[in-house]
Amino acid sequence: QQPVQSPQAVILREGEDAVINCSSSKALYSVHWYRQKHGEAPVFLMILLKGGEQKGHDKISASFNEKKQQSSLYLTASQLSYSGTYFCGTEPPGSARQLTFGSGTQLTVLP
Amino acid sequence: NAGVTQTPKFRILKIGQSMTLQCAQDMNHNYMYWYRQDPGMGLKLIYYSVGAGITDKGEVPNGYNVSRSTTEDFPLRLELAAPSQTSVYFCASSPWTGNTEAFFGQGTRLTVV
Repeated sequence: QQPVQSPQAVILREGEDAVINCSSSKALYSVHWYRQKHGEAPVFLMILLKGGEQKGHDKISASFNEKKQQSSLYLTASQLSYSGTYFCGTEPPGSARQLTFGSGTQLTVLP
Repeated sequence: NAGVTQTPKFRILKIGQSMTLQCAQDMNHNYMYWYRQDPGMGLKLIYYSVGAGITDKGEVPNGYNVSRSTTEDFPLRLELAAPSQTSVYFCASSPWTGNTEAFFGQGTRLTVV
């Protein structure tokens, strides 16, 4: 079953913060976050394994609450280059690393 | 290091025609996947493989077939193309360990008319 992402779309001004949520009805082994720009392949941002860890990369970080089967992606001080569609991909335990992707969150950063 | 290579990048097919989308990876990954992405939507898994000679259906396998004769190659076959198969197709590969990402190819944009 597809994870649910929210919001579906968000518009920011440069320098503002955003949070994108991903919720699954299944137990999860990991959550992957990707960003995709129009006409391009998804680009990997980060992976979170079960254990409730939080990871960060530059001004983008994420958390994973395995008990609630939820993950959140935090974008701080957004830049124009952050514009794109963000997808979470969820991986259940023992699934041959199959990812089920949410329907995406379209992020637009305006100058 | 080429990563995941897909060919062709674009293709237009007529209804009822067949074609094979090629995918090759040079990272010695065990797992390979085919996804399709319809406009404005997320990626849906078509087929996957956990190693040479082993394939299995994903969420949307109807109208497609795959084979995995080598670790490197994972072609996707479309038989009797239909307009509903108009989509962007992504191939991906992944190692068996749990803390690394899936690597995606650049995609094949297929239009069935």
